[in-house]
Amino acid sequence: AQTVTQSQPEMSVQEAETVTLSCTYDTSESDYYLFWYKQPPSRQMILVIRQEAYKQQNATENRFSVNFQKAAKSFSLKISDSQLGDAAMYFCAYTTGTASKLTFGTGTRLQVTL
Amino acid sequence: NAGVTQTPKFQVLKTGQSMTLQCAQDMNHEYMSWYRQDPGMGLRLIHYSVGAGITDQGEVPNGYNVSRSTTEDFPLRLLSAAPSQTSVYFCASSYSEVREMNTEAFFGQGTRLTVV
Repeated sequence: AQTVTQSQPEMSVQEAETVTLSCTYDTSESDYYLFWYKQPPSRQMILVIRQEAYKQQNATENRFSVNFQKAAKSFSLKISDSQLGDAAMYFCAYTTGTASKLTFGTGTRLQVTL
Repeated sequence: NAGVTQTPKFQVLKTGQSMTLQCAQDMNHEYMSWYRQDPGMGLRLIHYSVGAGITDQGEVPNGYNVSRSTTEDFPLRLLSAAPSQTSVYFCASSYSEVREMNTEAFFGQGTRLTVV
């Protein structure tokens, strides 16, 4: 079974600074897809960024980027120029794509301070 | 276009009661799924569906039933609620498999269920 591990239950970053959230996963599949989701206090799940395992290039979406290390099975999220609105729970997720079933990590709660 | 709508948003049940959590989407999505979110455990898949009339079990299906009679609706039934089912429940849908480019899973706002 695939597992996703987020070893940082909580992180804190100052506004305008950069923070990196860690995620590792375990799979025997060669074709899979990784995601970072943001969950603010409203509970809404918001897709932040996705990475296809077959792509060597790291995905980037504005201030959000990933460091995808396939051999190490690592998928970290870097948030640059952190903003107060970035404060949320962040979940790493994995899928092989079949039936859109997602396996989530336990989440990292990010605090953004002034 | 309302997206994925879950009702109710909050519910308190007594042990042994039954209820149905509703999930509806108006995006003509084939794929729908139910997750539960518990503190320190992330979201875990309960049941999923790849189209009307087709459902299957996820990681934690015990105590829950689903059916998919229409493309739009995917209700989750608790037949005899237990305190262990206290959780936040999320419904998600996608047009096709999320591995497809430009395909994203859309989530509802969640239902917070407390079983006393």
